[in-house]
Amino acid sequence: GAVVSQHPSRVICKSGTSVKIECRSLDFQATTMFWYRQFPKQSLMLMATSNEGSKATYEQGVEKDKFLINHASLTLSTLTVTSAHPEDSSFYICSAKTGGLGEQYFGPGTRLTVT
Amino acid sequence: GDSVTQMEGPVTLSEEAFLTINCTYTATGYPSLFWYVQYPGEGLQLLLKATKADDKGSNKGFEATYRKETTSFHLEKGSVQVSDSAVYFCALSDEGSAGNMLTFGGGTRLMVKP
Repeated sequence: GAVVSQHPSRVICKSGTSVKIECRSLDFQATTMFWYRQFPKQSLMLMATSNEGSKATYEQGVEKDKFLINHASLTLSTLTVTSAHPEDSSFYICSAKTGGLGEQYFGPGTRLTVT
Repeated sequence: GDSVTQMEGPVTLSEEAFLTINCTYTATGYPSLFWYVQYPGEGLQLLLKATKADDKGSNKGFEATYRKETTSFHLEKGSVQVSDSAVYFCALSDEGSAGNMLTFGGGTRLMVKP
């Protein structure tokens, strides 16, 4: 089956620094990738949708200047949390899908802790 | 807009008990319906899906039937195992939504005791 990887799986950073999270589709080309945020014991909240080669579409309430998304190729999307603060600590999950009505395949998630 | 409501957990069962996790939805179009499972510290895995009314999705002993008349997609398993302990998410994808984004329910934590 289709595999999506994320790197790193865990990261701890200091307040004010920036962190980049990578999402890769390993055995298929992903025309669309999604980034989700999940707080402890809560559901996934969609942050943004990115299509290869175009700007990401952010959900209402998500700061695009704080959460920079780049989808430079059909197998890689990155999420950069800029000037991170403790309230940005969360579990970030990406998913990838092929075109049309293709199924979404989820990455294993990245746990970000900002101290 | 689209929404998914599922029963709050945690649901605690003994091994070999019968499981039902309720899920209802509202959607403007004709959505596809999904159940995802999340094991501790991991991402989501697709458990099963149904794309049209009366379809039954099944996998690993789990089943769910797409009921358009009651707008429901309840998850069932006849005999749970300790290894089924996880969080279960019901979700829908409206074919009319941009990029076929998923709308998730709040998740239901299942704890199975030996």
